[in-house]
Amino acid sequence: QVQLQESGPGLVKPSETLSLTCAVSGDSISKTYWTWVRQPPGQGLEWMGYIHFSGSTNYNPSLRSRLTISADTSKNQLSLTLKSVTTGDTAIYYCARVALGSGIVGGLDVWGLGTTVTVSS
Amino acid sequence: SYVLTQPPSVSVAPGQTARIPCGGNNIGSKNVHWYQQEPGQPPLLVIYYDSNRPSGIPDRFSGSNSGNTATLTISRVEAGDEADYYCHVWDSSSDHVVFGGGTKLTVL
Repeated sequence: QVQLQESGPGLVKPSETLSLTCAVSGDSISKTYWTWVRQPPGQGLEWMGYIHFSGSTNYNPSLRSRLTISADTSKNQLSLTLKSVTTGDTAIYYCARVALGSGIVGGLDVWGLGTTVTVSS
Repeated sequence: SYVLTQPPSVSVAPGQTARIPCGGNNIGSKNVHWYQQEPGQPPLLVIYYDSNRPSGIPDRFSGSNSGNTATLTISRVEAGDEADYYCHVWDSSSDHVVFGGGTKLTVL
């Protein structure tokens, strides 16, 4: 049973850098695509970006200049770095797996519980 | 960029059928996935590739996709189906993942 667990600081000051990790257990990350999705309070889902185990990435244009997603196959975990955060980056951050064997077009069949990040001074 | 449009809310009485549309330009040519999100929970995949149900999802949930509209249909609606529902596609022209804005299903 694949499980994803996001972790991070909880509270970040404006203009600082947000760093999150997503630990994957029960399967290897070297099989498919992985995505990060966030959800501001009371709002809908926003796709942030994806990474393939080969290292290829793609990002939401609205975040591209500030966002980096990486994968560490030795630790079987994903990482997200978002620079120069503002209060608008306050959200629940989720990592999710793209279903095996489907490439990037597949559904997101496994999600972490999410980690809440608040940007505030 | 590709846009998916969902109504903010849909209401239905228990036992009736709920239809949640997801509009997009020629969405019928894309693969559509649907998620259910209950308060305080992560999204749950309920339909993938337009009309397929993951293991454990009741057969009351079904999906269709044609032309400019994909539809999630929930038959014999129960109080426990009250949640937010999101559609999702991957847009090949931009290589971006796109979510609809979400629809809140209210069971009257």
